[in-house]
Amino acid sequence: EIVMSQSPATLSVSPGERATLSCRASQNIRSKLAWYQRKAGQPPRLLIYAASARATGIPAGFSGSGSGTEFTLTISSLQSEDFAIYYCQQYNSWPPTFGQGTKLEIK
Amino acid sequence: QVQLVESGGGVVQPGRSLRLSCAASGFTFSNYAMHWVRQAPGKGLEWLAVISHDGVNPYYRDSVKGRFTISRDNSKNTLYLQLNSLTPEDTAVYYCAKDRGFVVVVAAFEDWGQGTLVTVSS
Repeated sequence: EIVMSQSPATLSVSPGERATLSCRASQNIRSKLAWYQRKAGQPPRLLIYAASARATGIPAGFSGSGSGTEFTLTISSLQSEDFAIYYCQQYNSWPPTFGQGTKLEIK
Repeated sequence: QVQLVESGGGVVQPGRSLRLSCAASGFTFSNYAMHWVRQAPGKGLEWLAVISHDGVNPYYRDSVKGRFTISRDNSKNTLYLQLNSLTPEDTAVYYCAKDRGFVVVVAAFEDWGQGTLVTVSS
């Protein structure tokens, strides 16, 4: 099973600033990576798939990059509604696996 | 818009069974593979099972193979998960999720339900 590792566990950023979240896969997953946003009491929301493609309705301020084992989610200018937990997930190999999440909090 | 509504959760004793349902609307259910994902208290998201759009090819993570059964009724736009031989470690919120791929299985999860809580306790 592929292990997904996210860093940092918690990221404190001021509104309006940029946030950069990292995700590492224990094996090469090509570009088969998705990012999800999760707010309290809600299910995950797909943000990015195929490492860099924005899902339907996701603002341009969210961008993903990377391939192989190293991936990044960048939020260009944080809005209040962006403070949440972010998960990466690989779907290159079965079973699909998730990272433990990065909590993005207001500084 | 896509709606996925899970039901069937509750408190169940160890060793007993439960069947979860996920009612889908807002899309052509029969065109998409569907998944179950769970999250135990204080733990991460764990994918459990997938079923192809036509219900022919179920696939499970090893730890639930033989205990859990995924199925679907495309005439009722409903996904199911039969949980057998439950243990306290199965206590979690169970989510159904729609695959991103059209007809094919991609295993990226485009839409999720709100989840249903299963508590296994004596």
